[in-house]
Amino acid sequence: DIQMTQSPSTLSASVGDRVTITCRASQNIDSWLAWYQQKPGKAPNLLIYKASNLQSGVPSRFSGRGSGTEFTLSISGLQPDDSATYFCQQYHIHLTFGQGTKVEI
Amino acid sequence: QVQLVESGGGVVRPGGSLRLSCAASGFTFSSYGMHWLRQAPGKGLEWVAVISNDGSDLYHVDSVKGRFTISRDDSKNTLYLQMNSLREDDTAVYHCAKTDCRSTGCRLLEHWGQGTLVTVSS
Repeated sequence: DIQMTQSPSTLSASVGDRVTITCRASQNIDSWLAWYQQKPGKAPNLLIYKASNLQSGVPSRFSGRGSGTEFTLSISGLQPDDSATYFCQQYHIHLTFGQGTKVEI
Repeated sequence: QVQLVESGGGVVRPGGSLRLSCAASGFTFSSYGMHWLRQAPGKGLEWVAVISNDGSDLYHVDSVKGRFTISRDDSKNTLYLQMNSLREDDTAVYHCAKTDCRSTGCRLLEHWGQGTLVTVSS
């Protein structure tokens, strides 16, 4: 299985900050990477697909970059509503997930 | 809008059975592959099973093969997960998710339900 390693596990920031979360794959996954946001007790919400494509309806302050084995999710102009857990998912071979990053504001 | 609502979770003893349901609305259910995923307490997400849009193709993770079965009823817009011979390590929140295309090779999870908790305990 392809292992996905996310960092940091927790991140504290202030409203208006820019934050970046990193996801590393144990082997090349091209651009087959998605990012999701999950709030407690809620369904995960797709933010980014194919590494850098913004899902319809997702605010433009979210952006994704990377290819191969290293990927980032950035949130610029952090808002109180962005307090959540973010996780990556590779879908190159089967599908596997990162362990998640909790963003505290 | 797309809605996925899971039900059927609960507390069950080891060796017991449960059937989870996922009621879908807001899209043409019969046109999309569907997945089940789970998240154990304090652990990351794990893929459990996938079924193609017409139910002809399905796969399960090795740890549940022979015990769990994914199925669907397009007349009811509902996805199922039959879970037999439950073990304590099956304890998790179970989510259903809609993919972006028809086949079992579709692995981008466009929409998820909020999940149903399954607790296996003696």
